[in-house]
Parts: sequence; structure tokens; C-alpha cells
Amino acid sequence: AQKVTQAQTEISVVEKEDVTLDCVYETRDTTYYLFWYKQPPSGELVFLIRRNSFDEQNEISGRYSWNFQKSTSSFNFTITASQVVDSAVYFCALSEAGGAQKLVFGQGTRLTINP
Amino acid sequence: EAGVVQSPRYKIIEKKQPVAFWCNPISGHNTLYWYLQNLGQGPELLIRYENEEAVDDSQLPKDRFSAERLKGVDSTLKIQPAELGDSAVYLCASSFVMGGEQFFGPGTRLTVL
Repeated sequence: AQKVTQAQTEISVVEKEDVTLDCVYETRDTTYYLFWYKQPPSGELVFLIRRNSFDEQNEISGRYSWNFQKSTSSFNFTITASQVVDSAVYFCALSEAGGAQKLVFGQGTRLTINP
Repeated sequence: EAGVVQSPRYKIIEKKQPVAFWCNPISGHNTLYWYLQNLGQGPELLIRYENEEAVDDSQLPKDRFSAERLKGVDSTLKIQPAELGDSAVYLCASSFVMGGEQFFGPGTRLTVL
């Protein structure tokens, strides 16, 4: 069975600090996809990134970066120089490459950036 | 480009009453998903449609929940009768292709009293 664990329930940092959100996943599939979504107070889930299981290259997009390590089944998300607008709940998710295609979400990490 | 549209945004009903949620996916997206999100939890898939066909409804409590996507575009999710435990946010998402990134609507927050 697929499972995603986000051990950090809540994180609170001061603006401009760097922060890393952890994500550990379990799957028996050799091909799968990993995702990060942001859920601001408005409630809409905003897609941030999708990563194929065969692509272990780290990715950087502006202040956001992702570290995918198959050896530890982790897909961590780092925000550099955090801003108040980054405050939200962040979800890590996993989907298999074929079949159901459903997203299995972690429980989310509530990130609060204080001014 | 318009995103996924859901209505209503909020709904408050008495237990045992019926309720329906509507979703209009992004134009051209053939795959439509309904998710349930309980407070403090990640979303969980209820049902997935490929065009008009429900291809994964294994998590849908069929005794009280039903869904339809008659013309392969918009979709309706119904609960009849609602129970107190159904209070949650119901999210709709769509994707262009199976396995592609899913775009979510704002959700319908249901409160059952």
C-alpha cells in the first residue's frame, strides 16, 4: 500500500528564515510520481511540483527547492528566505504511474511565517 | 483560463437531509476527481472519472453517496441522507490526461448539524 508521512504537523519561523518540510513515502511500485501542493487559507490546493521516480535531480524554482532521495524514500521541500505569503498548509502526495492514478496525500504541514 | 469551479462554497444542513455539490472542470480536462478532506487531514479520493465513466469509486460509500458525470464535463456529488460525520470539505480536481497534474477547485465546506 502507498503511504505518505509528513511528520511535522506545524512549523513556525520568522520571515526570511529558511525552512524545510519533510516528506517520507512508501510504495512497492518502481515507477511513481511525487507531488507537493500548497493550500492557503482560501482552501484551494495549488500545484507546486511533480517529480518522476526515475528523476532524482534536485529542482530549484525561485525560492523553492526540492530534494528527492530514493535511498531514503524522501522528497523534502525547502523554502529559502521565507515570506509571510508562504504561510499555508503544504501537502506531499504520491501516485502510482499506472492504474488508479489517485493521489495519496500526507497529513500536511501547517507553515506559519511570522513578520 | 478558468480554473476548476465548485458550488456552493459553503453548505449547512441538518442531519438526514440530502445535499449536492457541483463541479465544472477545466475545459478540455477529461479526468475528474472528487476528494474528501477532513479537518487537519490530507484529501482522500472518493471517485475518479475518465470522461463519463467512473473508473475508480472504491472509496465512495455507496450506501449514501452517489456521483454522476453525464456528459463527460461537469459532475455532481450527492449525499443522501447526510450524517454528522460527513462534515468536511469536498474537493473537485481535474487533469488533462490520466496521471497528469491535478488542478483543484476551492472546495465545498459542508457542515452537518
